[in-house]
Amino acid sequence: ETGVTQTPRHLVMGMTNKKSLKCEQHLGHNAMYWYKQSAKKPLELMFVYNFKEQTENNSVPSRFSPECPNSSHLFLHLHTLQPEDSALYLCASSQDFSGELFFGEGSRLTVL
Amino acid sequence: AQKVTQAQTEISVVEKEDVTLDCVYETRDTTYYLFWYKQPPSGELVFLIRRNSFDEQNEISGRYSWNFQKSTSSFNFTITASQVVDSAVYFCALSEAYNYGQNFVFGPGTRLSVLP
Repeated sequence: ETGVTQTPRHLVMGMTNKKSLKCEQHLGHNAMYWYKQSAKKPLELMFVYNFKEQTENNSVPSRFSPECPNSSHLFLHLHTLQPEDSALYLCASSQDFSGELFFGEGSRLTVL
Repeated sequence: AQKVTQAQTEISVVEKEDVTLDCVYETRDTTYYLFWYKQPPSGELVFLIRRNSFDEQNEISGRYSWNFQKSTSSFNFTITASQVVDSAVYFCALSEAYNYGQNFVFGPGTRLSVLP
C-alpha cells in the first residue's frame, strides 16, 4: 500500500461538469496539501490542511473547493472549470510541519 | 521573499557520465530547509534529501551527492555514473522554518535525460 494514494489518476471533464479528486494518506501524518503542476510552470501550492483545519488558501479560485473530513483524507471538488485548469494535481502529506512532503502520483485533469 | 532557481531547464548525458544539477535559493530567514525531489514519468515526486540551514556538511548516498554552500546560496546535486533510470525531472525546494510546509517553494525543475 503506497503512502499517498490519489484517485482518479486521469480525469477528462467538460466545463459544466462537477467532479472530485480524492487523496488518502496511510502515513499517520497530520498535514495535507494540494499542489497544481501545469506545463512549464513551477509547482503551485493551492491548499494546506493541518489537523483537518485549512491553514492556507493560496488565492485559489472558488471553482476549486477543498474538503478534509479527517487527517487521512483530502478531496478537491471541481466545478465549472476552465481549459486553463488542465494540469496535474498533486496531493502531499507531512508530519505536522516538521518533515518532508510525501507526494501521491497525481491526478491528471483535462478540461475540454 | 523566498525563491528557488534552477537555471538548467534540460540536460542530456550519456549513461555513466557524471552530471550536476544546480540549485540557487534566496531567503531572508536564517533557519530554513532545502530539499531535492525526483519526478519520474509516473508523476509522483519522490523525496531524495532534506538539509537544514545549520548543516553544511556535504552528503553522499550511493551515486548521489549533495553540495550545500551557504556562502553562494547553492545546494547542488550530483549523480555519479548516471543510469537510464535516473531520467526524470528534478526539483529543488526551500522551506522557511517559521512557516514550514505552508511556505514550501519549488524551483522550476531540471529535466534530466540519460541516454543509453
